[in-house]
Amino acid sequence: DGGITQSPKYLFRKEGQNVTLSCEQNLNHDAMYWYRQDPGQGLRLIYYSQIVNDFQKGDIAEGYSVSREKKESFPLTVTSAQKNPTAFYLCASMAGANYNEQFFGPGTRLTVL
Amino acid sequence: GQQLNQSPQSMFIQEGEDVSMNCTSSSIFNTWLWYKQDPGEGPVLLIALYKAGELTSNGRLTAQFGITRKDSFLNISASIPSDVGIYFCAGRRETSGSRLTFGEGTQLTVNP
Repeated sequence: DGGITQSPKYLFRKEGQNVTLSCEQNLNHDAMYWYRQDPGQGLRLIYYSQIVNDFQKGDIAEGYSVSREKKESFPLTVTSAQKNPTAFYLCASMAGANYNEQFFGPGTRLTVL
Repeated sequence: GQQLNQSPQSMFIQEGEDVSMNCTSSSIFNTWLWYKQDPGEGPVLLIALYKAGELTSNGRLTAQFGITRKDSFLNISASIPSDVGIYFCAGRRETSGSRLTFGEGTQLTVNP
């Protein structure tokens, strides 16, 4: 089946620890995105990548880092510098910059204790 | 980043009723998308709109691309309990590259 997978579904970490969230897609999409969603709020863009080995900051990049070494993978690291890391994190992909439809993964709920 | 103004924020309706929600902006968009998100899941794309004035249906859902290109509307007819969820609009501006701008969502509750 083609799609976007995020793992794990639930993640718990102690304050001060870095944590990496996985996002993999087998849709052969060029562009990938990371969003953060807080309760009762919309989606805020953290980082995005339009092509392998390239990525740009979104609106709330502080305290996060990403890499795009492979087309199908776009991991997000939540660092200890992120002041309020507890949130629902969503990964999305799009076929390419000339397309318009983003498709989302199932999300990872991160709780920092 | 700029958010779209989505309204209403929440709706409580009876099963069988029709629902309308909309998104507006001061900017022009060349694509409008509507998503539905179930609790604890990722958003699912419902309808995509590409031309001003376009009216597109997907089952009981109908969406329109506003003629001014600054707004979009989603209607759900004859609501059923499984319509419960959060509905998001998203738009793509010509100057925003591959980024989307999202509304803050409409929480829909359907009472059986």
